[in-house]
Amino acid sequence: QVHLQESGPGLVKPSETLSLTCAVSGYSITSGYYWGWIRQAPGKGLIYIGSMYRSGGAYYNPSLRSRVTIALDPTSNQVSLKLNYVTAADAAVYYCARHYGTREPFDYWGPGSLVTVSS
Amino acid sequence: QSVLTQPPSVSAAPGQSVTISCSGTISNIGNNYVSWYRQFPGAAPQLLIYDDNKRPSGIPDRFSGSRAGTSATLGIAGIQTGDEADYYCGAWDNGLSAGLFGTGTKLTVL
Repeated sequence: QVHLQESGPGLVKPSETLSLTCAVSGYSITSGYYWGWIRQAPGKGLIYIGSMYRSGGAYYNPSLRSRVTIALDPTSNQVSLKLNYVTAADAAVYYCARHYGTREPFDYWGPGSLVTVSS
Repeated sequence: QSVLTQPPSVSAAPGQSVTISCSGTISNIGNNYVSWYRQFPGAAPQLLIYDDNKRPSGIPDRFSGSRAGTSATLGIAGIQTGDEADYYCGAWDNGLSAGLFGTGTKLTVL
């Protein structure tokens, strides 16, 4: 059974970098699939952040591309997300999720990690 | 920020049926499969329908999906109190080269 678990600081200061990690168990991230991040601000809808494949191919939401980096760490079987220069608008629950291809659905999701932006 | 458009809310009594629409463009729904997700309060979204009308293992056939042109529809038959949740559609956008989600629809069981 595939299991995803996000972790990281729950509080980030404005203008600093948000860093989250997604630990994957039950499946090797180098065996295939895209590994992505989605966020949801309190009371709001889902926003696609980006996805990365084992080959290094990546797709990003154009509105976030300049500030986002997604990386795969095969040694720890983890997926990371970095979002630079955060503002209050970046406060959200961040989910990691898996999808087979760019046009494929997200079939496994982590429970999410709440990030607050405040000084 | 491009999004797929859904009605903010729908409601139905137990046993009734309901449909939720998802409107997009030729760049997303018009040329790609649609998926649907269910989200209970405080929980992560769960895949409900994929490839327009396919159900993952464990999802009852009360849930159905369809796509025509630049719109898609989720159908829920025999509504139960446990169906009360937020529902989101999703599709890839070829122009953005990015995933898109719908605005979300809250289903209330009367």
